[in-house]
Amino acid sequence: GAVVSQHPSRVICKSGTSVKIECRSLDFQATTMFWYRQFPKQSLMLMATSNEGSKATYEQGVEKDKFLINHASLTLSTLTVTSAHPEDSSFYICSASPSTGSSYEQYFGPGTRLTVT
Amino acid sequence: AQSVTQLDSHVSVSEGTPVLLRCNYSSSYSPSLFWYVQHPNKGLQLLLKYTSAATLVKGINGFEAEFKKSETSFHLTKPSAHMSDAAEYFCVVSYTGTASKLTFGTGTRLQVTL
Repeated sequence: GAVVSQHPSRVICKSGTSVKIECRSLDFQATTMFWYRQFPKQSLMLMATSNEGSKATYEQGVEKDKFLINHASLTLSTLTVTSAHPEDSSFYICSASPSTGSSYEQYFGPGTRLTVT
Repeated sequence: AQSVTQLDSHVSVSEGTPVLLRCNYSSSYSPSLFWYVQHPNKGLQLLLKYTSAATLVKGINGFEAEFKKSETSFHLTKPSAHMSDAAEYFCVVSYTGTASKLTFGTGTRLQVTL
């Protein structure tokens, strides 16, 4: 149980285009989902917290107009990187916190590797 | 602000020998502490968690960690390393009670040699 999927697993896009990454909780409902970014050989940095049906809360330094987050249902959150540039190339990981049970539990997706050329 | 410090970026052990991955956290009233493992091309997996219950926490795959408030430490140990333990390990802290924001350490890469 408690499986989180991400799609796509890897994507290559051209500079200036937008790309959408999906995060799904497959066997549980998640009121809250989180988006992280991981640079090569570095730790995970929290980008934003998304709550179903409301606006996402972005961490300091993260451009909300560039990284659009939508959490339209209890099992799906999307991250759209708009007008992507090579510096946006990174590993993006989502996690989901179950609506029931321990509030500190987070289940992580396998990540999406974005390469902007 | 909450933070964790992983003292070693890389640890190498021989198969069958003990593993020690060190983690210190910034002091807080009631931290929750976690160890996650990340295998290449796989999602993060929770090894164990401390949430103010028993200070010695047992996790999966033979790992355990001890919460030491006096030392603000939460070191991860395993008596005998296996080749499959080779991965990146993250010490993580959370102080909020609901839908917790996690703060990750910089990670320790564990190498296991024959």
